[in-house]
Amino acid sequence: AQSVTQPDIHITVSEGASLELRCNYSYGATPYLFWYVQSPGQGLQLLLKYFSGDTLVQGIKGFEAEFKRSQSSFNLRKPSVHWSDAAEYFCAVGGIGTASKLTFGTGTRLQVTL
Amino acid sequence: GAVVSQHPSRVICKSGTSVKIECRSLDFQATTMFWYRQFPKQSLMLMATSNEGSKATYEQGVEKDKFLINHASLTLSTLTVTSAHPEDSSFYICSARDWASGGTDTQYFGPGTRLTVL
Repeated sequence: AQSVTQPDIHITVSEGASLELRCNYSYGATPYLFWYVQSPGQGLQLLLKYFSGDTLVQGIKGFEAEFKRSQSSFNLRKPSVHWSDAAEYFCAVGGIGTASKLTFGTGTRLQVTL
Repeated sequence: GAVVSQHPSRVICKSGTSVKIECRSLDFQATTMFWYRQFPKQSLMLMATSNEGSKATYEQGVEKDKFLINHASLTLSTLTVTSAHPEDSSFYICSARDWASGGTDTQYFGPGTRLTVL
């Protein structure tokens, strides 16, 4: 069975500081990995995704993530956080094909202090 | 980019009534859409997979007679909560699968619908 672990429930960083959100996954085949962001009362917005190729993936809003197969990880990073980045971040894993579904982690709530 | 809309964004209804939520893919065709439920400060729970032109596939524990799903076109899926009760109050989010060129497979999410059953 596939699963995603986001070990940090809540993280607080100062504006301008760097950020790393952790994500570990379990998947029986080649994983497709995603990071989504959710603002309060809103749906999910796709930040970036990894399917194949370069293991360092660039996304929107200055985010990037690195796929490390040996560690089963897909951590999200941003060099300098902005106050508007405060939100809930979800990591997800899925496969390819019409029967594939996404499995989400429990989310990490990011708070940004000024 | 791929845009998914949901309507209504918020609905309040009396116990025992039915509520319909629409999910539309605005700039792409989606043969597959998904319906999720999210409890406060929790992750998303997949309820069902909606396939255009065929019956939805429900996850274990989800009552298919209570949560009716219809996917009549390539851009529209509806979720009807029948005989709603206060315990059905939740945030419902849909997503639509976009098969981009090259075979990549990405779900794009709607803004969600907040259902409150009195």
